[in-house]
Amino acid sequence: QVQLVESGGGVVQTGRSLRLSCAASGFTFSTYGMQWVRQAPGKGLEWVAGISDDGHSPSHADSVKGRFAISRDNSKSTLSLQMDSLRAEDTAVYYCAKEAGSYDAFDIWGQGTTVTVSS
Amino acid sequence: EIVLTQSPDFQSVTPGEKVTITCRASQSIDGKLHWYQQKPDQSPKLLIKSASQSFSGVPSRFTGSGSGTDFTLTIKSLEAEDVATYYCHQSYRLPYTFGQGTKLEIK
Repeated sequence: QVQLVESGGGVVQTGRSLRLSCAASGFTFSTYGMQWVRQAPGKGLEWVAGISDDGHSPSHADSVKGRFAISRDNSKSTLSLQMDSLRAEDTAVYYCAKEAGSYDAFDIWGQGTTVTVSS
Repeated sequence: EIVLTQSPDFQSVTPGEKVTITCRASQSIDGKLHWYQQKPDQSPKLLIKSASQSFSGVPSRFTGSGSGTDFTLTIKSLEAEDVATYYCHQSYRLPYTFGQGTKLEIK
């Protein structure tokens, strides 16, 4: 079945780095745009980053621009988020999500991975 | 950035009741408005895409409508399992944005 499984979360100190991964299965990964969305404790959903099916058009929210980088490996059906210079406000559950189409809804979501940034 | 404002923020509801949640965009978004349901400790699930298209497997009591800047999610007859937080989301323009959420609680 169609599935997204995130990994790589954990507890990290302020200023350090972490790399999240999302393993996709059950669909042709290379033909869909992919996204990262986060949710801080008790808060709403925040779009973090997105990337086109061919990986040529990454985009990032202003809140993470210059610190986070989204990428994908279509040969391994894997989405990644490199997070550098982490701040306390980056503490959240990070979800990867599949786009239904270009500039479309997010039709499949992973279960999320938790990132905690502490001093 | 396109701002999405949902109302209400919170609603206490009775099973069988009709529920209406609205989402207003700060500019026209050409129908690129989607609705998600998130139950406690679960990931969001797509309910409605492109304002009014029901996603596969979603119960028929969930419907969406609207255009331009004003959109509505309607639950025709609420069931206890519908207790959740509902979010709208626009994919018209980057950065993609979400509404602040509407939390439904059983009265």
